[in-house]
Amino acid sequence: AQSVAQPEDQVNVAEGNPLTVKCTYSVSGNPYLFWYVQYPNRGLQFLLKYITGDNLVKGSYGFEAEFNKSQTSFHLKKPSALVSDSALYFCAVRALAGNTGKLIFGQGTTLQVKP
Amino acid sequence: NAGVTQTPKFRVLKTGQSMTLLCAQDMNHEYMYWYRQDPGMGLRLIHYSVGEGTTAKGEVPDGYNVSRLKKQNFLLGLESAAPSQTSVYFCASSYTAGSYNEQFFGPGTRLTVL
Repeated sequence: AQSVAQPEDQVNVAEGNPLTVKCTYSVSGNPYLFWYVQYPNRGLQFLLKYITGDNLVKGSYGFEAEFNKSQTSFHLKKPSALVSDSALYFCAVRALAGNTGKLIFGQGTTLQVKP
Repeated sequence: NAGVTQTPKFRVLKTGQSMTLLCAQDMNHEYMYWYRQDPGMGLRLIHYSVGEGTTAKGEVPDGYNVSRLKKQNFLLGLESAAPSQTSVYFCASSYTAGSYNEQFFGPGTRLTVL
């Protein structure tokens, strides 16, 4: 069965420091992976995606993610965190069964960036 | 271009009452989805639609019904609300199901069932 895991409920980082939000996946075949961000009382916003090609994917707001097939991971990274990056982050994988575009989401990781 | 909009933003129901949540998108997207978000559980798919007039069950469909009579609208119905349906509901849409297409989300509806 396909699944996504975000092993950390919360990540705390000081402003200006690099941040990493972890995501691991389990799928058969090639994974299509996504990161979304949710600010308080808002809907999810798309950050970036990995379909194929370069393992390092660049996205919105200075975020990037590294796809690692051998470790089945797709960690979200940013070189220098901002207080405004504080939000809830979701990793998702596209369900391969059928042509429906369904996404399977991780449980989410709260990122707290402190001044 | 409003994107994906949801009506209402908040609602409080008593057990056994019914209601309909409306999702509208103005991006001419074929695919639409209804999710519920509960703390520590991420988003779970309730129902989805791959085109006007079509609907299908997702991961947690029990207690919900949907309709897609118009391409731009996707309605989620609760016939007899239960406290377990207290949640935040999100609608999303995408152009097609293709791997390259991310989903666009609405702002959510916060539903409380007493």
